[in-house]
Amino acid sequence: GAVVSQHPSRVICKSGTSVKIECRSLDFQATTMFWYRQFPKQSLMLMATSNEGSKATYEQGVEKDKFLINHASLTLSTLTVTSAHPEDSSFYICSARDLAVAVNYGYTFGSGTRLTVV
Amino acid sequence: GENVEQHPSTLSVQEGDSAVIKCTYSDSASNYFPWYKQELGKGPQLIIDIRSNVGEKKDQRIAVTLNKTAKHFSLHITETQPEDSAVYFCAARGNEKLTFGTGTRLTIIP
Repeated sequence: GAVVSQHPSRVICKSGTSVKIECRSLDFQATTMFWYRQFPKQSLMLMATSNEGSKATYEQGVEKDKFLINHASLTLSTLTVTSAHPEDSSFYICSARDLAVAVNYGYTFGSGTRLTVV
Repeated sequence: GENVEQHPSTLSVQEGDSAVIKCTYSDSASNYFPWYKQELGKGPQLIIDIRSNVGEKKDQRIAVTLNKTAKHFSLHITETQPEDSAVYFCAARGNEKLTFGTGTRLTIIP
C-alpha cells in the first residue's frame, strides 16, 4: 500500500535555530501534501496544504514565514520551522493524497516528528 | 468551515465487549469520513472509512455507520482485544481537507 516516509522521527534543537522535516511518498505520486501539528492529548490541527510546484496555503493563525513549506516534486515535501521557540515544541505530521485510490479519497499519513525546542 | 465533534473522550471496555465512538459534523457537503487509530508517538493509521453514498461498512470486527440526514457517523468495534487500546480519531472531508474530531482514548481492560 501507499507509504509516506517522514524524517526525522525525533529532533531536539536550541531556541532560535531552524529545523527541517521531510516527507516522501515512496510508491505513489502525491500531488497534495498536508501538514498537521498535534499538541499532547489534542487532535490534529491542519497547518497548511501544499500542491506540487505551487505555494502552500496556510490555515488561519499559522505564520507562513515561520513554517516554510516546500513541495518541489511529486514525492517530496519539507516543512522548515524557522527560529524555533519552546512553544513550537509539538508533534508534526504530514499527509499525502494518494491518486491511486479511487476518486482521490486516499490520505496517507507519515509517522510524525516529535520536535522539542530547548 | 467544517466542525467535527467526537464522543466520548475516554472509553474503557472489558475485553471481548463492544466499543462505540460517535461523531457529528457540520458541513453537509462533506463526503468522506475516515477513522484513524493513533498509538503513542506514531502517526494516525486508517482503520476504516466510509463515503457519503454508503450507509454502513464493515471490515471484520470494525464497522462504521453514517447518517447523512443527522450528520453523524459512528465507529463500532466488536470483540475488543487489548491491542485495540489506542486513541481513535474520526474525520470529515470537506473542501479537500480533513477535519479531525477531538479523539477518544479507548482502553481495553483484560
